[in-house]
Amino acid sequence: EPEVTQTPSHQVTQMGQEVILRCVPISNHLYFYWYRQILGQKVEFLVSFYNNEISEKSEIFDDQFSVERPDGSNFTLKIRSTKLEDSAMYFCASSGRLAGGKETQYFGPGTRLLVL
Amino acid sequence: GNSVTQMEGPVTLSEEAFLTINCTYTATGYPSLFWYVQYPGEGLQLLLKATKADDKGSNKGFEATYRKETTSFHLEKGSVQVSDSAVYFCALRIAGNQFYFGTGTSLTVIP
Repeated sequence: EPEVTQTPSHQVTQMGQEVILRCVPISNHLYFYWYRQILGQKVEFLVSFYNNEISEKSEIFDDQFSVERPDGSNFTLKIRSTKLEDSAMYFCASSGRLAGGKETQYFGPGTRLLVL
Repeated sequence: GNSVTQMEGPVTLSEEAFLTINCTYTATGYPSLFWYVQYPGEGLQLLLKATKADDKGSNKGFEATYRKETTSFHLEKGSVQVSDSAVYFCALRIAGNQFYFGTGTSLTVIP
């Protein structure tokens, strides 16, 4: 069964460094998402991406964050200058198409980011 | 605004016990409701969903009914197994693609 994959599974970085989290969505999907979960808190929506542009973003997704689909398979989340509070589990998801809110999103296993 | 409130965990049950994980929501408009499950080391997997009031979602022995009058979508299973040990997330989705998740409830089933 097709699945969303994410790399790396864990990343440790110094505050102020740039990180890139990578995702390979399901191959025929058109919509891509990033979520994050700070330890002990809710899974929070960051951004959705369709047709090579951001379609929705939350207030969390500020200028420090960017997303890109550099080729036909990868979908990346970049944090330009990491802060301690960026430490979280980051989930990528993809879905096939919009269908009045009924479409299922398929999630990857997550990347655990620790900022020191 | 839109939000999901989920029963606090962790929950520990013996095998074959009855499971209920409570979930209530606040939403503007008419949401679709979901339960996702996360097994250790894996991503979030859709367990079941319901897209309108009074719909019942079911899968792998789990059930949840969309109750508009009580704004609830409680997850139930009549007889849990050790393999059901995981973290369960309730979520809602309004028009558009953004999901709103609960904090997750960790379930451990002991033999």
